[in-house]
Amino acid sequence: EVQLVQSGAEVKKAGETLKVSCQVSGFDFTDYWIGWVRQMPGKGLEWMGIIYPGDSDAKYSPSFQGQVTLSVDKSINTAYLQWSSLKASDTAVYYCGRRTGDERRGRYFDLWGRGTLVIVSS
Amino acid sequence: SYELTQPPSVSVTPGQTARITCSGDGLEKQYVCWYQQKPGQAPVLVMYKDIERPSGIPERFSGSSSGTTVTLTISGVQPEDEADYYCQSTDSSGTFFVFGSGTQVTVL
Repeated sequence: EVQLVQSGAEVKKAGETLKVSCQVSGFDFTDYWIGWVRQMPGKGLEWMGIIYPGDSDAKYSPSFQGQVTLSVDKSINTAYLQWSSLKASDTAVYYCGRRTGDERRGRYFDLWGRGTLVIVSS
Repeated sequence: SYELTQPPSVSVTPGQTARITCSGDGLEKQYVCWYQQKPGQAPVLVMYKDIERPSGIPERFSGSSSGTTVTLTISGVQPEDEADYYCQSTDSSGTFFVFGSGTQVTVL
């Protein structure tokens, strides 16, 4: 089955580190960029960045550059989103998505994970 | 920075037509897609390349484009269409995504 399976909910304290995962199955991991999207409580979708598993090339939204790190482990078809020092304002649901499309069709996420809830207490 | 503008809310009675607009300066050159998100669920792609419907999406969903505005139309709205809808496009390089602020569709 083609799917993105995200890791479970996390409850952390401010200042702690965290790495959430997104494991893909049913398609070639190195054929697609994997993106991350934040949704704060009651708010809209925010694009954080994207990574290409083939060579770990990552692009970050200016809003998230330096705040998070994207990485992959090709041996287990998994993409990661990590923080080195969490803040209370990082409390949100984080989604991974498979980017598809091209210049002819536009670029978009055709497949999404179910999301990982991250709660950070101060 | 690049922004996409959507109305905060649209209300419609079952069977009527809902139209959700997405406006942005770059939309004459970049395609838009649309996602539907129901409470507690991940977004689902309902339209791409302005007017293309993914397989499995009901025919009552359609898209159109005119100048710097793209529109998602839901004809014959059903109660299950009640959700938040987000448009999304890219910057001129095609690398960086931008989402609209979202439109809450309420079926009265």
